[in-house]
Amino acid sequence: GQQLNQSPQSMFIQEGEDVSMNCTSSSIFNTWLWYKQEPGEGPVLLIALYKAGELTSNGRLTAQFGITRKDSFLNISASIPSDVGIYFCAGPDSGGGADGLTFGKGTHLIIQP
Amino acid sequence: DAEITQSPRHKITETGRQVTLACHQTWNHNNMFWYRQDLGHGLRLIHYSYGVQDTNKGEVSDGYSVSRSNTEDLPLTLESAASSQTSVYFCASSESIIGGRQYFGPGTRLTVL
Repeated sequence: GQQLNQSPQSMFIQEGEDVSMNCTSSSIFNTWLWYKQEPGEGPVLLIALYKAGELTSNGRLTAQFGITRKDSFLNISASIPSDVGIYFCAGPDSGGGADGLTFGKGTHLIIQP
Repeated sequence: DAEITQSPRHKITETGRQVTLACHQTWNHNNMFWYRQDLGHGLRLIHYSYGVQDTNKGEVSDGYSVSRSNTEDLPLTLESAASSQTSVYFCASSESIIGGRQYFGPGTRLTVL
């Protein structure tokens, strides 16, 4: 099956810093999704991307659909303590979008006081 | 507000017992999914359903079954629980039209002793 590689695996940053993470695939995706998961909860959808080159923001979060359709990037500006969690990229297993999602293994964001 | 719920939130069972995890959504979504989350593997698809009476196997379906008798519910059954099935289980749902956007429940932590 398809695999998504996320990097970095973890990030230790200071409050107020900007954060960048990315996700790459060996195959083309038609949709990229970014989720955040906090301890003891399910993943929450942050941003959905549907077109190559698309740049979409959600508050301090900005995500981009890579032009090769094999990668995506998530940036968080001016991080705050509530940004702590695990960020997952995901994409549909088929082009239609109604099948299950393939998930990356996540980037664990830790904010140091 | 529409939501997706899972029960129980925590369960401990013994090897060989049958276990059923409940998932209920009030979004009126046609598509429902079950994933398991394990350290080092991220989220992996177990089974999914496109609608009433429809079920499909995902990446890690062995030892699991689902049934869909109405739109709102997709219970996951472990026929004979094994220690390898100790995991956190997430249910998700999505609309048919908007590609890829899945909304997750809070999860069930299952321990098989």
